[in-house]
Amino acid sequence: AQKITQTQPGMFVQEKEAVTLDCTYDTSDQSYGLFWYKQPSSGEMIFLIYQGSYDEQNATEGRYSLNFQKARKSANLVISASQLGDSAMYFCAMRETRAGGTSYGKLTFGQGTILTVHP
Amino acid sequence: DGGITQSPKYLFRKEGQNVTLSCEQNLNHDAMYWYRQDPGQGLRLIYYSQIVNDFQKGDIAEGYSVSREKKESFPLTVTSAQKNPTAFYLCASSLRGTSYEQYFGPGTRLTVT
Repeated sequence: AQKITQTQPGMFVQEKEAVTLDCTYDTSDQSYGLFWYKQPSSGEMIFLIYQGSYDEQNATEGRYSLNFQKARKSANLVISASQLGDSAMYFCAMRETRAGGTSYGKLTFGQGTILTVHP
Repeated sequence: DGGITQSPKYLFRKEGQNVTLSCEQNLNHDAMYWYRQDPGQGLRLIYYSQIVNDFQKGDIAEGYSVSREKKESFPLTVTSAQKNPTAFYLCASSLRGTSYEQYFGPGTRLTVT
């Protein structure tokens, strides 16, 4: 069974500094996808970044980058140059990629990390 | 604008009543999902559908039912059998494929008293 672990319930960062949000995962699949979502206080889920298990390069999207260490089963999110608008809950999620079966395509989420950016 | 709509934003019901949450998407996505989120927690999958007229139970399907008669619509019914229905419910959709992200609706906050 899949499992996603986010060990940091809350993180604080100063505006304009970088912050790393931790995520470790457990799966027996060889092929899988890792996602990070942001959830502001409004409740909507905003997709940030994706990393495929076979991708050799770490994913980057603007100020977001994913530090993917496959052997350690970690997929940490790095936010550079933090902004006040980055204050939100952040979720790491994993998607099974086995073809067929009832679990195809489902996302498993971690418990989330609340990020607070101080001015 | 393409996207996912969920209505209403807030919903109040008395215990023992069934309630149906709507989810509509105009993204032409085949797959749709329903998640439940409790305060301070992550999302848990209730039901999902990869194609019209087919759906599968997720991790916490007991007390819920769904239908998928149209590609655009995936309503969720919270039945009176659901023991603790008060929660935030999020609907999502995606293209079929392992690398595609799920797009989420704005959510419905259900309170049952």
